[in-house]
Amino acid sequence: GAGVSQSPRYKVAKRGQDVALRCDPISGHVSLFWYQQALGQGPEFLTYFQNEAQLDKSGLPSDRFFAERPEGSVSTLKIQRTQQEDSAVYLCASSLLSPANNNEQFFGPGTRLTVL
Amino acid sequence: RKEVEQDPGPFNVPEGATVAFNCTYSNSASQSFFWYRQDCRKEPKLLMSVYSSGNEDGRFTAQLNRASQYISLLIRDSKLSDSATYLCVVRKAGQGGKLIFGQGTELSVKP
Repeated sequence: GAGVSQSPRYKVAKRGQDVALRCDPISGHVSLFWYQQALGQGPEFLTYFQNEAQLDKSGLPSDRFFAERPEGSVSTLKIQRTQQEDSAVYLCASSLLSPANNNEQFFGPGTRLTVL
Repeated sequence: RKEVEQDPGPFNVPEGATVAFNCTYSNSASQSFFWYRQDCRKEPKLLMSVYSSGNEDGRFTAQLNRASQYISLLIRDSKLSDSATYLCVVRKAGQGGKLIFGQGTELSVKP
């Protein structure tokens, strides 16, 4: 079956522009995570949804970052007034059940954002 | 100090070699432990979970030492296809399932 998909795969933005990154999780997966991976680093947690509820947004680096999952499936990560330090790969992951069940997280291919 | 620390490498080894990666974590509340593999410009994929008793999957052996807060991965008989970055990952109890990644260790297996 289809895995996690993300779009666009690549995005170039001028500093100050707003961007929206989309994640389509595996169908039926309850949990959805966003991570940010800077060059040469491991992914870092941004935020977590269980269905449509955003249960943890402690990793969002500033109030310019906003995520939503209004119907409990597709999620959008929005970055306002992009800065050069926002350049990174943004990874989305989903898992079947709530994390308390220790389910594997499946990652999408990521969106590579470059801010000029 | 990062919560999960790894030697970034690169480790350059010949085919057939045995290579070991180490990882330390700082938070004793860490509950679950994993090794992920990430190929260049690809997404991370789960390689194996790590259990206190140690576990093996083919040529790969993972060990966990909770007292020392130390995790290891051993790869025997390295193949060219093992070339990738290996990410040490922990998950803490009560944190909603978020994964905490190390920087990753780059492995390059040469013919």
